[in-house]
Amino acid sequence: GENVEQHPSTLSVQEGDSAVIKCTYSDSASNYFPWYKQELGKRPQLIIDIRSNVGEKKDQRIAVTLNKTAKHFSLHITETQPEDSAVYFCAASIGQAGTALIFGKGTTLSVSS
Amino acid sequence: GAVVSQHPSRVICKSGTSVKIECRSLDFQATTMFWYRQFPKKSLMLMATSNEGSKATYEQGVEKDKFLINHASLTLSTLTVTSAHPEDSSFYICSARDEVRIGLSNYGYTFGSGTRLTVV
Repeated sequence: GENVEQHPSTLSVQEGDSAVIKCTYSDSASNYFPWYKQELGKRPQLIIDIRSNVGEKKDQRIAVTLNKTAKHFSLHITETQPEDSAVYFCAASIGQAGTALIFGKGTTLSVSS
Repeated sequence: GAVVSQHPSRVICKSGTSVKIECRSLDFQATTMFWYRQFPKKSLMLMATSNEGSKATYEQGVEKDKFLINHASLTLSTLTVTSAHPEDSSFYICSARDEVRIGLSNYGYTFGSGTRLTVV
């Protein structure tokens, strides 16, 4: 089955700096790659996603890139703010009906002002 | 948009008792629902895939008799933790997928709000 690796596990940046979180996946059939932000004790919140037919997607300060050949995808946050501090998870799915999202282990991002 | 309701949000039970967690899709029909378990500061680990009208598919290492899953209708799946022990204490979260929305944002995956189970 699918295995998703995520790095780093923790990331500390100064406000205004950029943050990059990287994930790799094992199943070449995966075609959907979302990123979630999770506050403690809350449900994951989708912040951006990408499908395998595109290589990059951007939404304001957040962008995701996908390299299907290498089977890795990355989250880029620019101009970080203290409110970006949270746990971020990447996930992957082969997208077929009845298939679950498989999550990476998470990255705790701390943005200090 | 698609909404998944999960109850209870918190539950404390005594060792040896059973606890039922409900997950309902409010505005769509979910042929499939997924159950995850999350330990503090850890990832969401897929426990099982719940299929309406049939037996759930459990991930390797998940005890079927311990975590009973029932998906009796297209809008309701339940997870029952039987004979709970302190090591079952965790955050349990369900996810449902609106297969009609696969072509839209979030690929149809919607999460419940989670249940914090504490076994004392």
